[in-house]
Amino acid sequence: KAGVTQTPRYLIKTRGQQVTLSCSPISGHRSVSWYQQTPGQGLQFLFEYFSETQRNKGNFPGRFSGRQFSNSRSEMNVSTLELGDSALYLCASSFNPGPEQYFGPGTRLTVT
Amino acid sequence: EDQVTQSPEALRLQEGESSSLNCSYTVSGLRGLFWYRQDPGKGPEFLFTLYSAGEEKEKERLKATLTKKESFLHITAPKPEDSATYLCAVQGFQGGSEKLVFGKGTKLTVNP
Repeated sequence: KAGVTQTPRYLIKTRGQQVTLSCSPISGHRSVSWYQQTPGQGLQFLFEYFSETQRNKGNFPGRFSGRQFSNSRSEMNVSTLELGDSALYLCASSFNPGPEQYFGPGTRLTVT
Repeated sequence: EDQVTQSPEALRLQEGESSSLNCSYTVSGLRGLFWYRQDPGKGPEFLFTLYSAGEEKEKERLKATLTKKESFLHITAPKPEDSATYLCAVQGFQGGSEKLVFGKGTKLTVNP
């Protein structure tokens, strides 16, 4: 069974640009969550989607947004990038919303 | 606000030397406490869910326990392949949100 896939794996952007990250959940999984991981703050919850609806949102500015498509694939977008947005962005999926999530390998975003 | 503190930040053990990792938490209405393992360059891998004080879960050389204020991950006779960062997370129930709050992890190194 294929795991969670995230694309791209690595990304370098310049301050002020915007970026879109993609996540394909495990087949059959309907819930997708996004996290930001940095050495200083650890893993922080961004948002969770279930059946194309945002169920929960973390404490991040409105520059961070996401969506989920009818096939459960999800994208997250960060606009007006700042240096502090450099991080590993992780996507996790589960059949239903819950903590027993399967994580993807992440997208390493570097903002210069 | 829900908080999770893990200690120590890093731990070095010799192969076969048993030890414990600590996860202290404050949460309003604990729905569950979760342990994950993260290897370098990969997303976290789910290990255990604990729901109530006194509960214990075991998997190979790992055993997780839960009290009302903290959880321990006991590692018995560790092997080098147990080297990883171990993450603890809690799920509370704040205002209808079920988001996970993670600790910053304990980096475990097991030397042969």
